[in-house]
Amino acid sequence: QKEVEQDPGPLSVPEGAIVSLNCTYSNSAFQYFMWYRQYSRKGPELLMYTYSSGNKEDGRFTAQVDKSSKYISLFIRDSQPSDSATYLCAMTALQGGSEKLVFGKGTKLTVNP
Amino acid sequence: DTAVSQTPKYLVTQMGNDKSIKCEQNLGHDTMYWYKQDSKKFLKIMFSYNNKELIINETVPNRFSPKSPDKAHLNLHINSLELGDSAVYFCASGDRASILGANVLTFGAGSRLTVL
Repeated sequence: QKEVEQDPGPLSVPEGAIVSLNCTYSNSAFQYFMWYRQYSRKGPELLMYTYSSGNKEDGRFTAQVDKSSKYISLFIRDSQPSDSATYLCAMTALQGGSEKLVFGKGTKLTVNP
Repeated sequence: DTAVSQTPKYLVTQMGNDKSIKCEQNLGHDTMYWYKQDSKKFLKIMFSYNNKELIINETVPNRFSPKSPDKAHLNLHINSLELGDSAVYFCASGDRASILGANVLTFGAGSRLTVL
């Protein structure tokens, strides 16, 4: 089982839809959970990060972490064509004195006008 | 001013050649990384340097050699290029978010390497 699993999609939604992106993980040592957004032919950029379980909201974006289920989500409300990108989850754990950062494979999202 | 800049952006070369990709960050971060992103968009860490010292060296062929002359620069040299080396290579620098301690990465725009 891979440490971080993410459905690659692609996911296509109409403008204004609510989008749900998800990752599951197997390593219970993961403590910090992040979402990166990558536009085509660009580098990933940090969208949001959370620590431990709970919700975090930033504008139209909500990140949710459920450590008991080893499941994280990113919700996008009122999705816009400019949200079309690949979304990568990432999580970190301290192991052997150094930090381990693992990315999911990314979900490609297209928001159609 | 670009925070993490890498050159070249595109590189097309023949099998067996040696090539280098350069990376510079002006964010004052202590940690820099090289990631490889394959055709399926999977982002995998290759190397990490903290203040010029190698701290992560994943299972990468020894044809790949990183060099960090100072903490603002991390270069990647690849010897004897193979077809399977074709990918996008991303440089990143890291900083701990001040409150939560998450290691937040800032990525460069990527260097797209094509080996023919």
